[in-house]
Amino acid sequence: QKEVEQNSGPLSVPEGAIASLNCTYSDRGSQSFFWYRQYSGKSPELIMSIYSNGDKEDGRFTAQLNKASQYVSLLIRDSQPSDSATYLCAVNIGNNNDMRFGAGTRLTVKP
Amino acid sequence: DTGVSQDPRHKITKRGQNVTFRCDPISEHNRLYWYRQTLGQGPEFLTYFQNEAQLEKSRLLSDRFSAERPKGSFSTLEIQRTEQGDSAMYLCASSLSFRNYGYTFGSGTRLTVV
Repeated sequence: QKEVEQNSGPLSVPEGAIASLNCTYSDRGSQSFFWYRQYSGKSPELIMSIYSNGDKEDGRFTAQLNKASQYVSLLIRDSQPSDSATYLCAVNIGNNNDMRFGAGTRLTVKP
Repeated sequence: DTGVSQDPRHKITKRGQNVTFRCDPISEHNRLYWYRQTLGQGPEFLTYFQNEAQLEKSRLLSDRFSAERPKGSFSTLEIQRTEQGDSAMYLCASSLSFRNYGYTFGSGTRLTVV
């Protein structure tokens, strides 16, 4: 089992729709969870962090965490073509200070 | 200093040659990380420094790879005797407080081994 798993996609949604991205992780001791956005040919950019069970909202983005299910998700409301990118889920593994990344989900928002 | 700087942006080298990359983190960040990313994959952890101490190194990392962070400022990543499988984007990231801020990535160095 991979440490961090994401649906590779691609995921395609129409402009204005809600995009839902999912991630599961293997280490029950993980405490910190992040979502990064990566445009083609660019480096990852941090967009959300979440540490407690429940929802965390920031503008059009909502991160959801369920530690019992070892599940993290990212919702993008009112999706825009500029949201088209690969979204990477990152999780700290155990007591390590480094993060493990999923393979990413490629999102396309069609005008 | 507004971000993490990496140099060079691109490197093409012949198989068997040695290459060295440099990373300058955000000045107040005491933690520095190296990752490698290939097409269609997420970043793969290579190694991590806190100040000048190298605290972790991936088990997957060949002994051809070495990293340093003298004086706890910039870092270098050297690959000796490069192989075609080393072709990838090498990403550097830094952080002040892992838990609260996550990482800030540099633009990366794209290595092509021919």
